[in-house]
Amino acid sequence: TQLLEQSPQFLSIQEGENLTVYCNSSSVFSSLQWYRQEPGEGPVLLVTVVTGGEVKKLKRLTFQFGDARKDSSLHITAAQPGDTGLNLCAHITGGGNKLTFGTGTQLKVEL
Amino acid sequence: DTAVSQTPKYLVTQMGNDKSIKCEQNLGHDTMYWYKQDSKKFLKIMFSYNNKELIINETVPNRFSPKSPDKAHLNLHINSLELGDSAVYFCASSQLLAGEQFFGPGTRLTVL
Repeated sequence: TQLLEQSPQFLSIQEGENLTVYCNSSSVFSSLQWYRQEPGEGPVLLVTVVTGGEVKKLKRLTFQFGDARKDSSLHITAAQPGDTGLNLCAHITGGGNKLTFGTGTQLKVEL
Repeated sequence: DTAVSQTPKYLVTQMGNDKSIKCEQNLGHDTMYWYKQDSKKFLKIMFSYNNKELIINETVPNRFSPKSPDKAHLNLHINSLELGDSAVYFCASSQLLAGEQFFGPGTRLTVL
């Protein structure tokens, strides 16, 4: 199983700051999904990146897929308390039958 | 309308007991899953069913038995509960295998 390492593991910042979290592997992905899990809830899909070098924007969130499709990043501009949660990346494994999730980045945005 | 629902939300029980968690999705999806999220928030797939057929069983102890009576339901029964079974269990569904996962709210299981 291809291990997805996410960094940092924990991040606590003030409202209004910018941040970037990373998802890395030694293997090439066909695609990568980013999920956010708010406290007490299940994860919700934010975006899927497919093409090497691809950049997708979702309001204050910018997702980038590495050129070699081995890594991805999530950049948040002007973080808000509502961004607090667990950010998870995931890729398809098991011959296309399942998702394997990364280790997660726990983000806390304080007022 | 709740897309993926699971009951109960919380489950506290003694070691050795048998318990069940129920899951229902109203999205018309063909595939349903059970995931386990441990205390470090690591989310790992346990089972997946496609059209009521078991597709994935991720070396889960046979004390865990999923049952899918129809495409919209996937229940999880756990026998002889152990302390290490304490975790949050998520049900999910997707239209395609390994496609976008729609998760339920989770069931927090505590084994005392």
